[in-house]
Amino acid sequence: AQTVTQSQPEMSVQEAETVTLSCTYDTSESNYYLFWYKQPPSRQMILVIRQEAYKQQNATENRFSVNFQKAAKSFSLKISDSQLGDTAMYFCAFMINQGGKLIFGQGTELSVKP
Amino acid sequence: KAGVTQTPRYLIKTRGQQVTLSCSPISGHRSVSWYQQTPGQGLQFLFEYFSETQRNKGNFPGRFSGRQFSNSRSEMNVSTLELGDSALYLCASSPGLATQETQYFGPGTRLLVL
Repeated sequence: AQTVTQSQPEMSVQEAETVTLSCTYDTSESNYYLFWYKQPPSRQMILVIRQEAYKQQNATENRFSVNFQKAAKSFSLKISDSQLGDTAMYFCAFMINQGGKLIFGQGTELSVKP
Repeated sequence: KAGVTQTPRYLIKTRGQQVTLSCSPISGHRSVSWYQQTPGQGLQFLFEYFSETQRNKGNFPGRFSGRQFSNSRSEMNVSTLELGDSALYLCASSPGLATQETQYFGPGTRLLVL
């Protein structure tokens, strides 16, 4: 069975600093996708970044980047120049090809402090 | 493009009743997935529909059912409501094709069972 683990229930960071959120997963599949979603207090789930397992290059989206270590089954999210609007719950998620099923971690609650 | 919409946004029901939730995907998306979010269990996959066919199903009792229409709109039904069904129900849409699996979420329906 596939599982996703986020070991940091809560984190905080000062505005403009950098923070890294950890995620590990377990699967025997070789083709899959990994995602980070954020859920602010509005509860709207917003895609942050996505990574295909067959791509060795780490995905980046503006201030957000990932460190994808396939052999270690690790998928961490780095947020640079943190902003107050980054305050949210962050979920790491995993999907195998054409499954339509995301498996989520328990989430990391990130607080960005002024 | 308009995003994923869900109706109603809030719902209060009593034990034993049934409820139907609706989800309209992003235009052109053929896959709709449903998730239940609770503080205790986190985000759990209910089922996924693609072109009116249930393609994947989570580990929920038969009281939870769904369907998808020819225009890709989807409904989820919960019969004989229990207190534990109180949750945020999220739907997400995607193109549903290989390499196009990224899911985009609606704002959710918050269900309270009394």
